[in-house]
Amino acid sequence: EPEVTQTPSHQVTQMGQEVILRCVPISNHLYFYWYRQILGQKVEFLVSFYNNEISEKSEIFDDQFSVERPDGSNFTLKIRSTKLEDSAMYFCASGVHQETQYFGPGTRLLVL
Amino acid sequence: AQSVSQHNHHVILSEAASLELGCNYSYGGTVNLFWYVQYPGQHLQLLLKYFSGDPLVKGIKGFEAEFIKSKFSFNLRKPSVQWSDTAEYFCAVKIAAGNKLTFGGGTRVLVKP
Repeated sequence: EPEVTQTPSHQVTQMGQEVILRCVPISNHLYFYWYRQILGQKVEFLVSFYNNEISEKSEIFDDQFSVERPDGSNFTLKIRSTKLEDSAMYFCASGVHQETQYFGPGTRLLVL
Repeated sequence: AQSVSQHNHHVILSEAASLELGCNYSYGGTVNLFWYVQYPGQHLQLLLKYFSGDPLVKGIKGFEAEFIKSKFSFNLRKPSVQWSDTAEYFCAVKIAAGNKLTFGGGTRVLVKP
């Protein structure tokens, strides 16, 4: 059964550094999402992406964040200048249509 | 904005016991409802979903959930749990025409052999 994959599984970075989190959605999916879960908190929506543009974003998704689908298979989340409070598990998800989302295993980001 | 509450943070039970996990949401319009499960060391997996029709939904691994619109609830049930059901369970809601899932805080379930 096809799955969403994410790399790396863990990333440690220094405050102020740029990070790029990578996701390979399921191949025939058209809708892509990023969520995050800060330790001890709920899973929170960051952004949705369809037809090569952002379809919805949360207030968390400020100018420090960007998403890109650079080729036919990858979907990336870039954080330009990381802050301590960006430490979280970041989940990518994809779906054939808007109704159902399938999640990847997550990237654990630690900002020091 | 919609919100989702899961009443139990931790549940401990023995094998063969019945499980019911509560989920309530706040939103007055049409919603899609989901239960996801995260087994230790694994990613979030879809257990079941409700969009419309029969409010009793059957999912994988013997799980079912009932949508009660008047109570804004979507409780998850399993009549007889197994040790392998040890996991964290997440309820999530999506406005029918929207993009984002809003998650509850999750319930950690430990099934003792």
